[in-house]
Amino acid sequence: KAGVTQTPRYLIKTRGQQVTLSCSPISGHRSVSWYQQTPGQGLQFLFEYFSETQRNKGNFPGRFSGRQFSNSRSEMNVSTLELGDSALYLCASSLTLAGEDTQYFGPGTRLTVL
Amino acid sequence: TQLLEQSPQFLSIQEGENLTVYCNSSSVFSSLQWYRQEPGEGPVLLVTVVTGGEVKKLKRLTFQFGDARKDSSLHITAAQPGDTGLYLCAGLYGNNRLAFGKGNQVVVIP
Repeated sequence: KAGVTQTPRYLIKTRGQQVTLSCSPISGHRSVSWYQQTPGQGLQFLFEYFSETQRNKGNFPGRFSGRQFSNSRSEMNVSTLELGDSALYLCASSLTLAGEDTQYFGPGTRLTVL
Repeated sequence: TQLLEQSPQFLSIQEGENLTVYCNSSSVFSSLQWYRQEPGEGPVLLVTVVTGGEVKKLKRLTFQFGDARKDSSLHITAAQPGDTGLYLCAGLYGNNRLAFGKGNQVVVIP
């Protein structure tokens, strides 16, 4: 079956702009998690959605937001972009994200903020 | 604050050599996972360890979970160029959340 897909794969924006990233989970998966990966901080958890509801949230400012649609596809939005938002944004899907559910990661969206 | 510390951050070895990388924490995790990430791709799950003291083998890779469930190690025997990648450990804690370490970058030179 098809894996997790993320669009776009690469994005260049300037400070102050906003951006929307998209994630399509594996068919049948209802949980989608988002992570930010940078060389300095590694992978940091942004938020997790399950059945259109945000279940968990990491320690990121309110400029970072997300949503999930009824077909489990998810989007994340970053407003008023800062240079420090340059990172690889990864989404991961799992059946339920309970206990040892395996998370399957997409290839990520590489965001560069100039 | 990083919950999981991985060491060494970078390791370069010759093909055929053995290597061990570590994942340490002061926190207890209900389970710990190891992923490998290659350039341009997302992390791929290699193994999940659940029981303190547990050892799991995946071909030439051996994973061990510490008795107190706070640390783990990954040992690769007779490393091959295909083992090159960023190895990430992640601990499952509280409310089904995963905390990742910064990773061990392994380069195997042919």
